[in-house]
Amino acid sequence: DTGVSQNPRHKITKRGQNVTFRCDPISEHNRLYWYRQTLGQGPEFLTYFQNEAQLEKSRLLSDRFSAERPKGSFSTLEIQRTEQGDSAMYLCASSLGELGEKLFFGSGTQLSVL
Amino acid sequence: AQTVTQSQPEMSVQEAETVTLSCTYDTSESDYYLFWYKQPPSRQMILVIRQEAYKQQNATENRFSVNFQKAAKSFSLKISDSQLGDAAMYFCAYSMASGSRLTFGEGTQLTVNP
Repeated sequence: DTGVSQNPRHKITKRGQNVTFRCDPISEHNRLYWYRQTLGQGPEFLTYFQNEAQLEKSRLLSDRFSAERPKGSFSTLEIQRTEQGDSAMYLCASSLGELGEKLFFGSGTQLSVL
Repeated sequence: AQTVTQSQPEMSVQEAETVTLSCTYDTSESDYYLFWYKQPPSRQMILVIRQEAYKQQNATENRFSVNFQKAAKSFSLKISDSQLGDAAMYFCAYSMASGSRLTFGEGTQLTVNP
């Protein structure tokens, strides 16, 4: 069990640029979640996948955000035309998919939009 | 919509002493799950303890225990024999029984003084 891996750890970009983050979940986990966390706040749910199917998306996920999980393995989160308000830590988590179960989190990708 | 409130932005405790972190939540559901997660400076969220709402018995995990008051919608975390390694941000979280996404509170920053 190597845990949930997120890359990169840090990303600095200029406003208007596109960025993509990657999450590698624990290998046997079929559910994968994306959360966003701003300074001094708790994580906010963005979206989640059951295998390759994206089952739920938050209203926080504007049209500039897109997430994919091809083949039900790793996932990518892309933000197009970044804005300063997108600056946050983006957390990925995975689980076996049972209700009320433990989520395993990665260490996050810290995005700074200048 | 479900909400989770942590009214203590910061708490401190002396090493070896006991501290209690507060959490209240709002839901119209009768069955759900409650969690306490710890986020150390490494940023990785780690599950501390979990409580199923249908269970009357309070969950315990070694030095960590909860006081779950379903009628009052209160879910506090007690840390006994506090250790320096307990210093972190603590988040209370809620999950519906019919889903697995987590709703987090704002967090409580715990400092442990030697």
